[in-house]
Amino acid sequence: QSALTQPASVSGSPGQSITISCTGTSSDFGDYHLVSWFQQHPGKAPKLMIYEVYKRPSGVSNRFSGSKFGNTASLTISGLQAEDEGDYYCCSYVGRGTYVVFGGGTKLTVV
Amino acid sequence: EVQLLESGGGLVQPGGSLTLSCAASGFTFSSYAMNWVRQAPGKGLEWVSGISSSGGDTYYADSVKGRLTVSRDNSKNTLFLQMNSLRADDAAVYYCARPSLTLIRVIITWGQGTLVTVSS
Repeated sequence: QSALTQPASVSGSPGQSITISCTGTSSDFGDYHLVSWFQQHPGKAPKLMIYEVYKRPSGVSNRFSGSKFGNTASLTISGLQAEDEGDYYCCSYVGRGTYVVFGGGTKLTVV
Repeated sequence: EVQLLESGGGLVQPGGSLTLSCAASGFTFSSYAMNWVRQAPGKGLEWVSGISSSGGDTYYADSVKGRLTVSRDNSKNTLFLQMNSLRADDAAVYYCARPSLTLIRVIITWGQGTLVTVSS
């Protein structure tokens, strides 16, 4: 059981917006702003999409945005495109006694 | 360009040992903490181990503590993961991952991974 809980799957149609949640089970999670989001396509290494809750690395589309309220972080993808299909993982420091924790992952399907 | 190139994966019997390497280039390796993250076939990502920039501090997931050892050679820009007493559930793609310079728990860059198979 991961300390970060994500829905197993989400789906959306091209052009729509979707949101993937990441809920921390530790009360300490709400105190830190170190949430990252990674996209992974089959057979490929993860790619950083969002870091420190809402910051976008250079080269990542502004269709990707992040937020966090209390113990839940969210990744929103607007204007869905077929290339957005893949697995998405949240990642964070969740408090004393931990180092880095990943959520279980969410499979995004663009239908 | 930042590059991380893992090597050393392969087939090993249960109880056996293996050493993974990660050759880093395109940045000042000795300034950065480093991590190993693994992904079992069809499963999610699991942080395995971290090491400080100097190598003086190391960190492990409970699932590997006592069996896996992380180290680094800053003169050769190389990260290592010594894996002993391997079990079937250690089978995974192992990724070398570099964090932010100032926030060592924020992973930024990943290598392409090396596959470890544990089977008799």
